[in-house]
Amino acid sequence: AQSVTQLGSHVSVSEGALVLLRCNYSSSVPPYLFWYVQYPNQGLQLLLKYTSAATLVKGINGFEAEFKKSETSFHLTKPSAHMSDAAEYFCAVSRFSGANSKLTFGKGITLSVRP
Amino acid sequence: KAGVTQTPRYLIKTRGQQVTLSCSPISGHRSVSWYQQTPGQGLQFLFEYFSETQRNKGNFPGRFSGRQFSNSRSEMNVSTLELGDSALYLCASSLRDEQFFGPGTRLTVL
Repeated sequence: AQSVTQLGSHVSVSEGALVLLRCNYSSSVPPYLFWYVQYPNQGLQLLLKYTSAATLVKGINGFEAEFKKSETSFHLTKPSAHMSDAAEYFCAVSRFSGANSKLTFGKGITLSVRP
Repeated sequence: KAGVTQTPRYLIKTRGQQVTLSCSPISGHRSVSWYQQTPGQGLQFLFEYFSETQRNKGNFPGRFSGRQFSNSRSEMNVSTLELGDSALYLCASSLRDEQFFGPGTRLTVL
């Protein structure tokens, strides 16, 4: 079985500060890992994904994440927060083994950005 | 290329009724998955359809069902609605190793 743990439900940063959202996963097989963002009253938008290629993954809007197998982590970072980054962020894991594209999500983290 | 579309966007029903939600995937995508999002349980997988066949199912009661048509469009049905079925229902279509989500249908059960 696969699972994702996102520590904390709310993170608040100042505009221009570093954003760090933590994600740890559990998987019995090499995982595919994803970060999604959700703005109010909208669906999920993919920020970035890890699919066993480069361990440092760059995504949209200046976000990046590093896959660390030894720590079973896939933390999301952005060097400088912008007001428009305020949203809910979800980490997800999947096997994508051809016959299985089910995503297992973490509980989500709400990011607030202070002016 | 058009994204995933879901209809209706908002729905209000009463307990005991049934509801059908619709999802049109991105053109060329043959896999469609459904998720339920609630404040308490977060995002939970309902089921996945591929080429008109259900190939994966989450841990939901039989009141939740779905189907997929030959054009890959999918519907999900919830019968005998309960208050706890109030949620945002998200549909996602897949190509290889990525899922693309629609805006969701907000279902409110009174």
